[in-house]
Amino acid sequence: QKEVEQDPGPLSVPEGAIVSLNCTYSNSAFQYFMWYRQYSRKGPELLMYTYSSGNKEDGRFTAQVDKSSKYISLFIRDSQPSDSATYLCAMRGVGQGAQKLVFGQGTRLTINP
Amino acid sequence: NAGVMQNPRHLVRRRGQEARLRCSPMKGHSHVYWYRQLPEEGLKFMVYLQKENIIDESGMPKERFSAEFPKEGPSILRIQQVVRGDSAAYFCASSPNSGAASGELFFGEGSRLTVL
Repeated sequence: QKEVEQDPGPLSVPEGAIVSLNCTYSNSAFQYFMWYRQYSRKGPELLMYTYSSGNKEDGRFTAQVDKSSKYISLFIRDSQPSDSATYLCAMRGVGQGAQKLVFGQGTRLTINP
Repeated sequence: NAGVMQNPRHLVRRRGQEARLRCSPMKGHSHVYWYRQLPEEGLKFMVYLQKENIIDESGMPKERFSAEFPKEGPSILRIQQVVRGDSAAYFCASSPNSGAASGELFFGEGSRLTVL
């Protein structure tokens, strides 16, 4: 079983739709949860970061963490064609080895105009 | 302010040759990480280095792979006697310190290795 599971998609939705992206994980030591966006042939860029459980909102993006269920989500409201990319969840623990981010497989998202 | 610079962006090698990938971290960053991304897979941690020190190499294959981050110059990921399975995108990331609160790593655009 992978430490982090993410549906690879692809996911295709019309412009303006609400998008929900999810990851599950098995390591209860994870404390920091991140979402990265990766455009084709580019490096990942950090979108959202959350510590422990809870919600965080930034513009059209909302990140949710439910540690009891080991489940994290990223919601995109009013999706735009420019949001088309691969979205990677990532997480890490604390202490020794904490710098090792563990990534999900990535979900390829297409927003159709 | 230049970001993380990686070169070459594309590298083609024949089986048995050596591949050297270079990474210059962002200005002011002293922590470098290498990740590998296989087709249709997420990024896999390989190694974490500070200047002149390997901090965590738990993701590095035991043979043929090595990494360094010298006092002067870029970090280098070296793959000896490449095999087809080494074909992947290799990403370098940097951070200003080991305990960056956001855990944000700044990634380069990657070096894509193709082994013929």
